[in-house]
Amino acid sequence: RKEVEQDPGPFNVPEGATVAFNCTYSNSASQSFFWYRQDCRKEPKLLMSVYSSGNEDGRFTAQLNRASQYISLLIRDSKLSDSATYLCVVNMASSGTYKYIFGTGTRLKVLA
Amino acid sequence: EAQVTQNPRYLITVTGKKLTVTCSQNMNHEYMSWYRQDPGLGLRQIYYSMNVEVTDKGDVPEGYKVSRKEKRNFPLILESPSPNQTSLYFCASSGGLAGGGEQYFGPGTRLTVT
Repeated sequence: RKEVEQDPGPFNVPEGATVAFNCTYSNSASQSFFWYRQDCRKEPKLLMSVYSSGNEDGRFTAQLNRASQYISLLIRDSKLSDSATYLCVVNMASSGTYKYIFGTGTRLKVLA
Repeated sequence: EAQVTQNPRYLITVTGKKLTVTCSQNMNHEYMSWYRQDPGLGLRQIYYSMNVEVTDKGDVPEGYKVSRKEKRNFPLILESPSPNQTSLYFCASSGGLAGGGEQYFGPGTRLTVT
């Protein structure tokens, strides 16, 4: 089982739709969680950190469920410019080491 | 402007010819890291550094070396590149506590080894 798993998509949605992505992680010792956005082979850019209490930034809402070991990203009122690959990232700390584990990403295409 | 820079952005080389990819950040971050990205595999961590003179292996360290002599720089060294190291490489830095904070990425280096 992969340490961080995402549905690769693509998710093809019309403009204005609401779309949700999930990401599961296997290591319960995981400490911090993030969603990044990556456009076609460019560098990943931070979209949101994910907190236990959930957090919202405009049209984007992220949630963390530690009991079930998954994080989610909800995008409301999708725009054409939201088309990208969304990467789930988990930071794991154990025995003094600190690694970031990336999911392989979920592709989103927002259609006019 | 806060940023992570990498050089070169594109590099084509031959098997066995040593190369170095530089990475520099101007945010005074303690944590720096190198990743490679391959189709279907996502980003995989090669090496990371918690601070000056402190480095550790990520998930795919074979064939790579790093050094951290200054806080701002974290070069990636391929002593004897091979074609399976053809990939897109990203450097990242993070200022979070104990290395657990948000990472900021450089623009990437596209390496081809023939």
